[in-house]
Amino acid sequence: KAGVTQTPRYLIKTRGQQVTLSCSPISGHRSVSWYQQTPGQGLQFLFEYFSETQRNKGNFPGRFSGRQFSNSRSEMNVSTLELGDSALYLCASSLAGGADATNEKLFFGSGTQLSVL
Amino acid sequence: AQSVTQPDIHITVSEGASLELRCNYSYGATPYLFWYVQSPGQGLQLLLKYFSGDTLVQGIKGFEAEFKRSQSSFNLRKPSVHWSDAAEYFCAVASYSSASKIIFGSGTRLSIRP
Repeated sequence: KAGVTQTPRYLIKTRGQQVTLSCSPISGHRSVSWYQQTPGQGLQFLFEYFSETQRNKGNFPGRFSGRQFSNSRSEMNVSTLELGDSALYLCASSLAGGADATNEKLFFGSGTQLSVL
Repeated sequence: AQSVTQPDIHITVSEGASLELRCNYSYGATPYLFWYVQSPGQGLQLLLKYFSGDTLVQGIKGFEAEFKRSQSSFNLRKPSVHWSDAAEYFCAVASYSSASKIIFGSGTRLSIRP
């Protein structure tokens, strides 16, 4: 069974641009979460989507947004890029997440490395 | 607020030696606790998790962790490390109501001395 797929693997953008990252969850998984990983801040939760609805949100500015499609694939968008947005963006999927996740595993993709110049 | 502290930024142990990585958490109720491992350029792989029950949890790759409520700790152990265990290890906590919203510690980088 295929794992969580994130595209692209690497991305270089300049300040002020916007970027869209894609995540395809494991087949059958309906919950997709996004995390930002930087050397200074570590791993931080961005948001979670379930059945095309944002269910949880971390403490990131409105420039960070996401969506989920009916096939559970998710995209996250960052507008008006800043140098500090340079990070590894990780996507994770699970069957249902939320309060039903007692026996679930969260499966992570390999991430998209975003560099903002 | 939930938080996770990993006091050791970097640890070096000799191959074959035992390992203990420390993790302390702050959470009001019974937390969900996890240990993840990340190899360079890779995503995170779940080593083990604790939700309830037996406080000694066995994971993959020979790792185990013990939940100690009185000390708010969830330390990761391995009796004999292998060179392939060199990686970054993250302790994490989540709540029952939003188990996908995981709060990660800052990580401990493990190096293995031949």
